[in-house]
Amino acid sequence: EVQLVESGGDLVQPGGSLRLSCVASGFTFSSCPMHWARQRPGKGLEWVSRINNEGRSATYADSVKGRFTISRDNAKNTVYLQMHSLGVDDTAVYYCVRDCSGPDHWGQGTLVTVSS
Amino acid sequence: DVVMTQSPLSLPVTLGQPASISCRSSQSLVHSNGITYLHWVQQRPGQSPRRLIYRVSNRDSGVPDRFSGSGSGTDFTLKISRVEAEDVGVYYCMQSTHWPPYTFGQGTKLEIK
Repeated sequence: EVQLVESGGDLVQPGGSLRLSCVASGFTFSSCPMHWARQRPGKGLEWVSRINNEGRSATYADSVKGRFTISRDNAKNTVYLQMHSLGVDDTAVYYCVRDCSGPDHWGQGTLVTVSS
Repeated sequence: DVVMTQSPLSLPVTLGQPASISCRSSQSLVHSNGITYLHWVQQRPGQSPRRLIYRVSNRDSGVPDRFSGSGSGTDFTLKISRVEAEDVGVYYCMQSTHWPPYTFGQGTKLEIK
């Protein structure tokens, strides 16, 4: 069974930093690109970032470019999202998404709240 | 960026009746390889998203056959042949043809009348 378990969400002050993690199991992690997506409270889905299966290529939404960094450790079956210069608009549930055949499996999400 | 526009945004449906959601893209979603990367995602209340349909018309594993997807180019439809109580939630179309960014529709909230 495919499992994606996110962690690291927390309450952080504006301007702060946070690192999210997503541990994957139930499939060959190193074969699949991975994404982060988010959902602001009461709003729709927004793609945030993608990393290829080897971890050598990453892309970002304009809204996070220069502030967020996606990375992965295939030995640990884990994908990360390092977030800096957080603003209130970054408040959201962040989802880890597998991309074995297109974005095909979502984790349960981790809540990031940016507030003073 | 490809803009995805769904309609309606709210869809009250009687149990057992059909439902249909439209999704239009601002440009053709046919990739240069000939494949159309248009997918449908369901989000039940309080749950994380779940993909239902990939590449226009292919049902994901475990998805009931009352769900079907169709369309081409810029115009796509998700149909539910007979709505059941467990179908309540928000439905999103998303494209992964022209990225970055991957883009979603605004979501259609299906509720039971």
